[in-house]
Amino acid sequence: DGGITQSPKYLFRKEGQNVTLSCEQNLNHDAMYWYRQDPGQGLRLIYYSQIVNDFQKGDIAEGYSVSREKKESFPLTVTSAQKNPTAFYLCASSPAGGLSGNTIYFGEGSWLTVV
Amino acid sequence: AQKVTQAQTEISVVEKEDVTLDCVYETRDTTYYLFWYKQPPSGELVFLIRRNSFDEQNEISGRYSWNFQKSTSSFNFTITASQVVDSAVYFCALSETRTGAGSYQLTFGKGTKLSVIP
Repeated sequence: DGGITQSPKYLFRKEGQNVTLSCEQNLNHDAMYWYRQDPGQGLRLIYYSQIVNDFQKGDIAEGYSVSREKKESFPLTVTSAQKNPTAFYLCASSPAGGLSGNTIYFGEGSWLTVV
Repeated sequence: AQKVTQAQTEISVVEKEDVTLDCVYETRDTTYYLFWYKQPPSGELVFLIRRNSFDEQNEISGRYSWNFQKSTSSFNFTITASQVVDSAVYFCALSETRTGAGSYQLTFGKGTKLSVIP
């Protein structure tokens, strides 16, 4: 089935550790995104990538890093520099194009808890 | 800067009642897109509808309907004869048509949590 797969679903991290969240899509979409969701805050954009080997910072990129070595994959690393990493993380993708009207489709999300 | 406001934080209705979720947006562009997403307890955001700024026709899909009014910058969502399975958080989002950096960003409202009571 076509879709966006995120793993793991639940992740616990000790303070000071880096963790990487996986995101894979088989929709042949060029653009991929990472959003963070906190209770009552809606979704905020962390990073996005329009094509392979290129990515841009979103609104809250500090403490996060990404890579886009393959079209289907867009992993997110939450570094120890992220002061408040406990949140729900959503990966998304959309078809290519210079217009922003393309529909963005989301994965099932990953819960990250710092212990 | 664009902005999306969903003033209703939480709504509770009894099953079979109709319910309307409000969405008000702000943008300087004349061309833009509006979206609604549903987030069930499992967490995944499910795409419901996309509407461009030039199409003000109301749309109906089964028990769902959407009322887009540019004059009031609103894009409201109505569920008719609500069911327990409609219980979720619903997000309204705005995307401006613009190339270059930032062209792929959606601005989300904070969401409305709908609880349908049997």
